[in-house]
Amino acid sequence: QQQVKQSPQSLIVQKGGISIINCAYENTAFDYFPWYQQFPGKGPALLIAIRPDVSEKKEGRFTISFNKSAKQFSLHIMDSQPGDSATYFCAASKGGYQKVTFGTGTKLQVIP
Amino acid sequence: DTAVSQTPKYLVTQMGNDKSIKCEQNLGHDTMYWYKQDSKKFLKIMFSYNNKELIINETVPNRFSPKSPDKAHLNLHINSLELGDSAVYFCASSQGPAANEQFFGPGTRLTVL
Repeated sequence: QQQVKQSPQSLIVQKGGISIINCAYENTAFDYFPWYQQFPGKGPALLIAIRPDVSEKKEGRFTISFNKSAKQFSLHIMDSQPGDSATYFCAASKGGYQKVTFGTGTKLQVIP
Repeated sequence: DTAVSQTPKYLVTQMGNDKSIKCEQNLGHDTMYWYKQDSKKFLKIMFSYNNKELIINETVPNRFSPKSPDKAHLNLHINSLELGDSAVYFCASSQGPAANEQFFGPGTRLTVL
């Protein structure tokens, strides 16, 4: 059962544009929502994470928007750059030693 | 210095063989994980160990057996390899719970012929 649904599967954005990736979850017990970035041939790396007590978190050009009532969260990449081209995974966890459940990934391509 | 390392990086083998993948982390973390990433890039937890004790065991076939000789190492042994085992296997570690940042290794691409 897919507990974290991610869309779109792929995304092409012009350099300087805004990239938006959306995720929806089902389990209201989730309380930690990270985003991981994966470059080809590499392991995923944590990009930014949010907990449900805030509705938005910003780190540089990357922002997570969180809507607890809708059980949705999204990643916004402002001023997208070719170096941002990678696969992005949203994820969710109940916390503690519970597993992190990953979304299906979004392949982002930023074209010059 | 590599934080989470895996060996080998590539593994090509025949169906029915037994193989092992080794993982080491030098971050001082107490929790380690094995993930499987299939051809569609779907990332799924297989196992998690905390201080050498198994704490997460997803519905993985018994042919897969993890072993953690100490906090810094988590190895994965796979018996009787099948075509469907072909994937990239990632080791990861975190300090404490999974809800903390996980650091992933570079992955081991396993191809079963």
